[in-house]
Parts: sequence; C-alpha cells; structure tokens
Amino acid sequence: DVKVTQSSRYLVKRTGEKVFLECVQDMDHENMFWYRQDPGLGLRLIYFSYDVKMKEKGDIPEGYSVSREKKERFSLILESASTNQTSMYLCASSEGSFGYSNQPQHFGDGTRLSIL
Amino acid sequence: TQLLEQSPQFLSIQEGENLTVYCNSSSVFSSLQWYRQEPGEGPVLLVTVVTGGEVKKLKRLTFQFGDARKDSSLHITAAQPGDTGLYLCAGAKGGKLIFGQGTELSVKP
Repeated sequence: DVKVTQSSRYLVKRTGEKVFLECVQDMDHENMFWYRQDPGLGLRLIYFSYDVKMKEKGDIPEGYSVSREKKERFSLILESASTNQTSMYLCASSEGSFGYSNQPQHFGDGTRLSIL
Repeated sequence: TQLLEQSPQFLSIQEGENLTVYCNSSSVFSSLQWYRQEPGEGPVLLVTVVTGGEVKKLKRLTFQFGDARKDSSLHITAAQPGDTGLYLCAGAKGGKLIFGQGTELSVKP
C-alpha cells in the first residue's frame, strides 16, 4: 500500500521560531508537493520538487523554504514562524516527469500547525 | 483570484437525495481530478477525467468533463451518510494541480 507519512499530526510553535515539517514517501515518486489548506480556500501550493535537490515555487512561497536531499524526503521550513502561518499543511507525491501533471497525487494525513 | 470556482461550498441533504457539485474555470486544463477528504485525513483521488465530454461512473458517482475542458461536475445519486466529506476538484496545468475551494457535503440519515 502506498504511503506518504508526515512527521507530526499536531504541532504548536511560537512566533519567530524556525519550524521544520517533514514528509516521507515510500513509492519512489519523482514529484513531491507541499500545500496549505485553509477553510474556504482549498489547497494552495507552497513549493514543489520534481527531482532530488530541485525545487520550484508554488503560488504562496513567501515565508517558506524547502529541502529535498533524498528522493523520498521533502521538508518544509518556516524560517521565522508567524501567526498567519497557522494552518493545515499537506504533503503529496506523484509519479511522472515534470510538466506532466495528470498523475494522481497521494497525500499524507496532514500536520495541523498552530503558531502562538 | 480563484482559478477554479467550486460550488456550492456547503451542502446538507437527507439520505436518498441526489446532488450535483460544479467546478468551473475560464482556463483550459489537460485533465481534471476529483478528490474526497475525510476529517483528519488527506485527500484521496476518486477519478481523473482527461478528454473533453468524458463521463466516468464510480458506483453512484458520475463525473463529467466539459467539452472545452474548462469545467466539470460530480453527481451523486441516492446519497448515503458514508458520502459525507469534503469534495475537491483539481485542474492539471503546467505540471501542477490547481484546486477548487472544496464542497463540504453532509448527508444526514
């Protein structure tokens, strides 16, 4: 069974902290994605990666960075957390070469992050 | 500006009723995917439609892709409480998926 695992289900951090969200997939997928999900806004793409050490900005990259040192692992970093980054964060992976987005994305169960 | 407009955002119906969820855009997509998300879990793919005018059925769920590949609909026949969840449409464009706002469906017994 395919699996995308996010390291934490719930996380509470303070304003100004550096926050790391980790995601691991066991499907040998080339593509990995980070989204945030807010009520009434759907899923918004923060960053994605189509290969090891490659990264592309999504629609809302400000305040975030990512790291992909190994194919199976994609990390999201909040450089200096702020209260407006309180949200549900979802990681996903998909197979296929970059530019071909018809493949389904497989999601983790999300990390609910609260910034106080 | 939302590229994919999904409607309605909320739907509360009785068991046995029929319903339709719409996903509209002014952009053309290479494909459109529908996902369902239950509380505490990530979205799970229901179907992908690729060809303009395509219709796909998944038991009581019928998915349609518009002829111009700009819009899609999801029709559920005789809804059941187990259909309760958040339904998301997502258009494939430029190597990414663009998601609609979602439709929160509640089916009461």
